[in-house]
Amino acid sequence: NAGVTQTPKFRILKIGQSMTLQCAQDMNHNYMYWYRQDPGMGLKLIYYSVGAGITDKGEVPNGYNVSRSTTEDFPLRLELAAPSQTSVYFCASSDPSAGSYEQYFGPGTRLTVT
Amino acid sequence: KQEVTQIPAALSVPEGENLVLNCSFTDSAIYNLQWFRQDPGKGLTSLLLIQSSQREQTSGRLNASLDKSSGRSTLYIAASQPGDSATYLCAVYGSGNTGKLIFGQGTTLQVKP
Repeated sequence: NAGVTQTPKFRILKIGQSMTLQCAQDMNHNYMYWYRQDPGMGLKLIYYSVGAGITDKGEVPNGYNVSRSTTEDFPLRLELAAPSQTSVYFCASSDPSAGSYEQYFGPGTRLTVT
Repeated sequence: KQEVTQIPAALSVPEGENLVLNCSFTDSAIYNLQWFRQDPGKGLTSLLLIQSSQREQTSGRLNASLDKSSGRSTLYIAASQPGDSATYLCAVYGSGNTGKLIFGQGTTLQVKP
């Protein structure tokens, strides 16, 4: 299994541009999450999904959108990028049927908005 | 609202020392607690997950404890090595059924040879 994969690894955006961060998992996990990590800080939850077609906001959802059309994929969309969205973005997945909700993380996407 | 705090923010120790990293949380109604390691510019590596019914978990030189009633967890690292240098993150799973994680800010550890 590849686990949780994220693309791209790095990206530089200009203010006002849009982009989609891709996340995929091959573990058949129903739950998926997007976090952002600012320098010197812990991770903060942006959006999460408990299954295909179901998404909900986390702690810092403003400026982002998500969709979940399949179990495997959970893309994060940035509209009208702003410097405040410069961060490292992590995607994660978990299998609640395993009983622990333990999350498995992707390698991250480092985004700079200038 | 659940808040997770890690103290100290940074720690520097000589090689071979035993050390303790602290994590506290404000709401004791947590589901599980997990410790992660993060190397500079890298992703998260899971170290230990403690389920709410457990008091501690061990893996090699690492031992994590959980005291829900006091809102505390500790990560004990025995016989520290320079390769242990990294940022250690504590995160709690909320008591709902969404599996959302709430992270502390991390403790950056430097082990000097």
